[in-house]
Amino acid sequence: DIQMTQSPSSLSASVGDRVTITCRASQSISSYLNWYQQKPGKAPKLLIYAASSLQSGVPSRFSGSGSGTDFTLTISSLQPEDFATYYCQQSYSTLPSFGQGTKLEIK
Amino acid sequence: EVQLVESGGGLVQPGGSLRLSCAASGFTFSSYAMSWVRQAPGKGLEWVSAISGSGGSTYYADSVKGRFTISRDNSKNTLYLQMNSLRAEDTAVYYCAKWGVYYYGSGSYEAFDIWGQGTMVTVSS
Repeated sequence: DIQMTQSPSSLSASVGDRVTITCRASQSISSYLNWYQQKPGKAPKLLIYAASSLQSGVPSRFSGSGSGTDFTLTISSLQPEDFATYYCQQSYSTLPSFGQGTKLEIK
Repeated sequence: EVQLVESGGGLVQPGGSLRLSCAASGFTFSSYAMSWVRQAPGKGLEWVSAISGSGGSTYYADSVKGRFTISRDNSKNTLYLQMNSLRAEDTAVYYCAKWGVYYYGSGSYEAFDIWGQGTMVTVSS
């Protein structure tokens, strides 16, 4: 099974900050990496697929990069609505797996 | 509107059974693989099971293999999860999710693009 590890597990930041979250796969997954945002009590929302492609309707301040085993999600200028938990997920294997999540909190 | 609506959650005793349903609308249900993803209270997301569009292929996480069965009825646009021999550690919100396919560059990529609102399953005596 492919293990996904995110860092950090939590992060405090301010509105307007640039934030980067990292995701590492236990083996190469090419660009089969997705990012999701989840707010409390809500279902996850797809932000980025194929490591760097922005899902329709997602603000351009979100971006993704990486390939192989190392990936990043960047929010260029944090907005109040961006404080949430973010998950990476690999779709390389027929058995998908998620990272443990990164909780982004207001400083 | 593309929508997934789960139902069937509730309180069940350890060793008991429960059947979850997920009603789909707004897209051609039979064209897409579907999955169940769960989230224990205060914890992260865990993929549970997946089924191909035709229903001919199924996949399970090791944690539920042999106890859970995924199925679908494409005539009713409905996904199911039969959960047997339930344990306390199965307590979670269960989401159904559509496995969307995206074409980018020279390849195709899959992601959970539509999610239901979730249904809570509590396993406790």
